[in-house]
Amino acid sequence: GAVVSQHPSRVICKSGTSVKIECRSLDFQATTMFWYRQFPKQSLMLMATSNEGSKATYEQGVEKDKFLINHASLTLSTLTVTSAHPEDSSFYICSAERGGTFVTEAFFGQGTRLTVV
Amino acid sequence: AQSVTQPDIHITVSEGASLELRCNYSYGATPYLFWYVQSPGQGLQLLLKYFSGDTLVQGIKGFEAEFKRSQSSFNLRKPSVHWSDAAEYFCAVEATGGYNKLIFGAGTRLAVHP
Repeated sequence: GAVVSQHPSRVICKSGTSVKIECRSLDFQATTMFWYRQFPKQSLMLMATSNEGSKATYEQGVEKDKFLINHASLTLSTLTVTSAHPEDSSFYICSAERGGTFVTEAFFGQGTRLTVV
Repeated sequence: AQSVTQPDIHITVSEGASLELRCNYSYGATPYLFWYVQSPGQGLQLLLKYFSGDTLVQGIKGFEAEFKRSQSSFNLRKPSVHWSDAAEYFCAVEATGGYNKLIFGAGTRLAVHP
């Protein structure tokens, strides 16, 4: 099956610093990746759609200057939380879209728990 | 706008009992519907999906779901629950403008008693 890997799985950072989260499709090429955010005991909220070689498309209410997304290759998308604050603490999950003969399917990474202190 | 409602926040069943998790959606056209399972601190695993055709969909781990257009529902079922099924379950619908851009329900946390 298709594997999507996120790194790191957990990160603690100081308020005001930046944190980069990587999302890699290990055995397939993903022209499109998605970044979600999940608050404790809540559902996943789509933050942005990341397209290889172009700018990400952000959902309404998501600050693009705070959550920088780069999709530099067909197997890697990165989410950088800039000038992190405690309210940015959350579980971030990416998914990568794999194309198929008839239909595509998205595969999720294992998530990254960010804690800002 | 599309939306997904999972009315049950938390469900507890005994091991071996049957299970049904409810999901209702709001979508103008024929939706693409998904059920995912999430273990604590983990990502999501796809259980099953509905695109078209047979309204009863079989998934992994013995789960199935039935699409009922008249009720705007896509309930997840399993005839006999195992202790390892304890997890969070999310129903999702494809969002307009992106095939795998998903809108998730709030989730249902399943606890299984031995």
